[in-house]
Amino acid sequence: GIQVEQSPPDLILQEGANSTLRCNFSDSVNNLQWFHQNPWGQLINLFYIPSGTKQNGRLSATTVATERYSLLYISSSQTTDSGVYFCAVEETGANNLFFGTGTRLTVIP
Amino acid sequence: IAGITQAPTSQILAAGRRMTLRCTQDMRHNAMYWYRQDLGLGLRLIHYSNTAGTTGKGEVPDGYSVSRANTDDFPLTLASAVPSQTSVYFCASSEEGLVGAKQFFGPGTRLTVL
Repeated sequence: GIQVEQSPPDLILQEGANSTLRCNFSDSVNNLQWFHQNPWGQLINLFYIPSGTKQNGRLSATTVATERYSLLYISSSQTTDSGVYFCAVEETGANNLFFGTGTRLTVIP
Repeated sequence: IAGITQAPTSQILAAGRRMTLRCTQDMRHNAMYWYRQDLGLGLRLIHYSNTAGTTGKGEVPDGYSVSRANTDDFPLTLASAVPSQTSVYFCASSEEGLVGAKQFFGPGTRLTVL
């Protein structure tokens, strides 16, 4: 199956700082999603972004499918942004959604 | 509106026992999914259902079975549990009947098999 790599694996930020999380994938994909798993385990869909750029408040995401990567930007980070961020891709021709191993973000006050 | 509910919240189970994890959604979504989340491995798709009456295998289907008798419910059954099935199980749903459609997750079930 497709390989999905996320970087960095861990990130510690001071509150108010900006960050960029990266997701690389090894093959062509039909679509890509970003999720946030909060410290209590709840998974929230942040973006459904097969290509292009989307913004939602302090978060934005860009997917460049031809170059096989996606970026998640977090601006003016808050302690509530802490948790694990996952990207997941649907490989073209494979009826399956593959998740990366995540980036664990800790925002300290 | 509850969204997606899962039961039980957590369970400790003896190896060899049968167990059914329940999942119910009230969003009238066509598609539903079961994932397991293991430390260091992210989430892996076990089974999915694009619409009521149909099911399909995901990345790690062995040892699990599902059924989709109606739109709202998608139970996951472990016929004879083994310790390697210790994991956190998430149910998800999406409006469209495609694996890659935008997915919404339940709160999860933590299962320990001894």
